[in-house]
Amino acid sequence: GAVVSQHPSRVICKSGTSVKIECRSLDFQATTMFWYRQFPKQSLMLMATSNEGSKATYEQGVEKDKFLINHASLTLSTLTVTSAHPEDSSFYICSAWGGEYYGYTFGSGTRLTVV
Amino acid sequence: QQPVQSPQAVILREGEDAVINCSSSKALYSVHWYRQKHGEAPVFLMILLKGGEQKGHDKISASFNEKKQQSSLYLTASQLSYSGTYFCGTEMNSNSGYALNFGKGTSLLVTP
Repeated sequence: GAVVSQHPSRVICKSGTSVKIECRSLDFQATTMFWYRQFPKQSLMLMATSNEGSKATYEQGVEKDKFLINHASLTLSTLTVTSAHPEDSSFYICSAWGGEYYGYTFGSGTRLTVV
Repeated sequence: QQPVQSPQAVILREGEDAVINCSSSKALYSVHWYRQKHGEAPVFLMILLKGGEQKGHDKISASFNEKKQQSSLYLTASQLSYSGTYFCGTEMNSNSGYALNFGKGTSLLVTP
């Protein structure tokens, strides 16, 4: 139980294009999902909190117009990196609370490379 | 506030023990421990909620001190599969809608 599925696992895109990353809770409902970014050999840094049916809340320094979040249902949140640039290349991971037994469950992550 | 983890890195021989610490300047609602292997998502190990709590499974256990400002992860009789980066994540509030704030991680390498 408490599985979070994330797609795609890897994506390479050209500079200036947009990329959409999907995060689904497979066997539980998640009114809130979290999006993290992780640079090589660094910790996970929270980017934004995705709320079902309402606007996402972004952490300081994260551009809301660049990282568009949509949480249209209780099981799906999407992160769209718009007008991607090489400095956006990173490992993006989503997470949702799976209960005390499973803790915050993470998706498998998306390795984004912008060329 | 990001919790402080120590040590930054540990190298062990198979069968040896290790302790990883996680501390905060303020009392925490909970501490969560994760292990992450290179290129993969973090895997949940355990959560501690109560001051003075100790819990574990197999040869991995953790404690949460009475003041709820410090937690330690204990790895005993380490196995090669224990290699990875260990993160503690902390919550300042009780609402599960709050995300975890992660420490910088402790890199653990277990050698044969």
